[in-house]
Amino acid sequence: EDQVTQSPEALRLQEGESSSLNCSYTVSGLRGLFWYRQDPGKGPEFLFTLYSAGEEKEKERLKATLTKKESFLHITAPKPEDSATYLCAVQGLNTNAGKSTFGDGTTLTVKP
Amino acid sequence: NAGVTQTPKFQVLKTGQSMTLQCAQDMNHEYMSWYRQDPGMGLRLIHYSVGAGITDQGEVPNGYNVSRSTTEDFPLRLLSAAPSQTSVYFCASSYTRHRLSYEQYFGPGTRLTVT
Repeated sequence: EDQVTQSPEALRLQEGESSSLNCSYTVSGLRGLFWYRQDPGKGPEFLFTLYSAGEEKEKERLKATLTKKESFLHITAPKPEDSATYLCAVQGLNTNAGKSTFGDGTTLTVKP
Repeated sequence: NAGVTQTPKFQVLKTGQSMTLQCAQDMNHEYMSWYRQDPGMGLRLIHYSVGAGITDQGEVPNGYNVSRSTTEDFPLRLLSAAPSQTSVYFCASSYTRHRLSYEQYFGPGTRLTVT
């Protein structure tokens, strides 16, 4: 059974204070690891897909990395508009594509 | 493209009532899923579909039925609503190409309260 654990549950940063969010996962073969951003009252919005260990993706102040056991979402010099809940999800090779297992998320608050 | 649409946005039911949550996508995606999200938690899979006519259970299927007669539509039926089904429900669609899985596109959600 695929499992995803995200830490910390909540993170409060000052504007410009860089940090990282962690996603630890267990799958019997990784089909894909996904990061999403969710704003209050809205559906999750896709950020990145990572397929294999060593892969990295970047978008503005966000950078996602992947190892065989975990993924990190690095946030460099965050701004208040980066405040949101960040969700990590995995798809294992033993599950049907399109069927994702989600972590509980990390709620990020960036203070000006 | 409208993407993934869900109706209604809000719904209040009494215990024992039934209803259908609607979901539609216009991206010709083969995969569609229903999730529920409770406060402070991530998304839990209720049912999903890998194509028209094919559905399967997720992590928390009890009390819910689905069918998929077309690629575009994937309604979720609550058979006899219970207070434990108070939650936010999200529909999502996705696709694969060349054996690679791609991201899910989510609808805006339906906020359901069962009293």
